[in-house]
Amino acid sequence: GAGVSQSPRYKVAKRGQDVALRCDPISGHVSLFWYQQALGQGPEFLTYFQNEAQLDKSGLPSDRFFAERPEGSVSTLKIQRTQQEDSAVYLCASSQSPTDTQYFGPGTRLTVL
Amino acid sequence: GENVEQHPSTLSVQEGDSAVIKCTYSDSASNYFPWYKQELGKRPQLIIDIRSNVGEKKDQRIAVTLNKTAKHFSLHITETQPEDSAVYFCAASNGFQKLVFGTGTRLLVSP
Repeated sequence: GAGVSQSPRYKVAKRGQDVALRCDPISGHVSLFWYQQALGQGPEFLTYFQNEAQLDKSGLPSDRFFAERPEGSVSTLKIQRTQQEDSAVYLCASSQSPTDTQYFGPGTRLTVL
Repeated sequence: GENVEQHPSTLSVQEGDSAVIKCTYSDSASNYFPWYKQELGKRPQLIIDIRSNVGEKKDQRIAVTLNKTAKHFSLHITETQPEDSAVYFCAASNGFQKLVFGTGTRLLVSP
């Protein structure tokens, strides 16, 4: 079946612009996660949804980062007033239930100039 | 919070040799330990995982061992092949979903 998909795959933004990154999880997966992966590093947790409820947003680095999953399926990660340190790959993952395997999407590579 | 350390950062082996990557974790409440393989520019892909009620798990050429007392777990790849070349990440979770990843090991298998 179809895996996790993300769009766009690449995004270039000028410093100060707002960006929106989309994640389509595997159909029927209850749990959805966002991670940030800096170059040469492991993914770092940003936020977690169970259905439409955002249960953990402890990893969001600042109030410029906002995520939503209004209907419990597609999720959007929004970054306002982007800064150069926001440049990274943003990975989305989904799992069938909170304790099941997390399957990752291909990521969105964000470059802030 | 949880902290995961991973060693070595790079590992070069000859085809057919074995490779071992080690991780330690800090939170004794962690009970789920997956390993992901990530090729350049690709998504992380789960290759094997282990839960804390098991000490060892094998899947063909890949095995993972867990020592809860010492709080460390290891990935073992036997009969390595060039297509095993990638970055490998260990991770830990205390059951509250969030994965905490190690810093990765770049494995290079030379023909």
